[in-house]
Amino acid sequence: AQSVTQLGSHVSVSEGALVLLRCNYSSSVPPYLFWYVQYPNQGLQLLLKYTSAATLVKGINGFEAEFKKSETSFHLTKPSAHMSDAAEYFCAVIMAGSARQLTFGSGTQLTVLP
Amino acid sequence: DTEVTQTPKHLVMGMTNKKSLKCEQHMGHRAMYWYKQKAKKPPELMFVYSYEKLSINESVPSRFSPECPNSSLLNLHLHALQPEDSALYLCASSQGTRTGERGNEQFFGPGTRLTVL
Repeated sequence: AQSVTQLGSHVSVSEGALVLLRCNYSSSVPPYLFWYVQYPNQGLQLLLKYTSAATLVKGINGFEAEFKKSETSFHLTKPSAHMSDAAEYFCAVIMAGSARQLTFGSGTQLTVLP
Repeated sequence: DTEVTQTPKHLVMGMTNKKSLKCEQHMGHRAMYWYKQKAKKPPELMFVYSYEKLSINESVPSRFSPECPNSSLLNLHLHALQPEDSALYLCASSQGTRTGERGNEQFFGPGTRLTVL
């Protein structure tokens, strides 16, 4: 069975500080991995995805994530937080060979302090 | 056009009402999805349509009835709902449901905020 774990349901950073949101997956076969962002009262927006082409993936809004097979991790980072980054972030996984069902992590609420 | 649209944005209904949620995409995607999202929780998959056929029903109560009239449209018919069904209902689409790297990401609509009184 596949699962994805997000460590830290709430993360607070100061404006301009590094953002690090953690995601670990459990699978013997590298899955397809995604990060989505959800602003209040909105749908989910795709930030970036890993599909085995490159281990360092760059996304929108200055975010990037690195796939580390040895650590089964896909952490999301941004060098400098903006107030507009405050939102809920979901890591999600699709297993290769599945019917493209997304399994979501529990989410991390990012707060950016002035 | 890389957008999934959903109507209405907000819906308030009584437990005896019948209403429908609508979702539309014009990206040529052949897979469409309904999710339910409660506050502070991740989305939960309800239904998957692949090539206009229902392929996955995640044991959803029959008071929720999906319909896919064509490849661009997805409806969710609601009848005799309970207050606990109040949630954000999200629609998503993807290129298809076959394996492979290309086009496996899902694009989400803005959702319909449903309140059942």
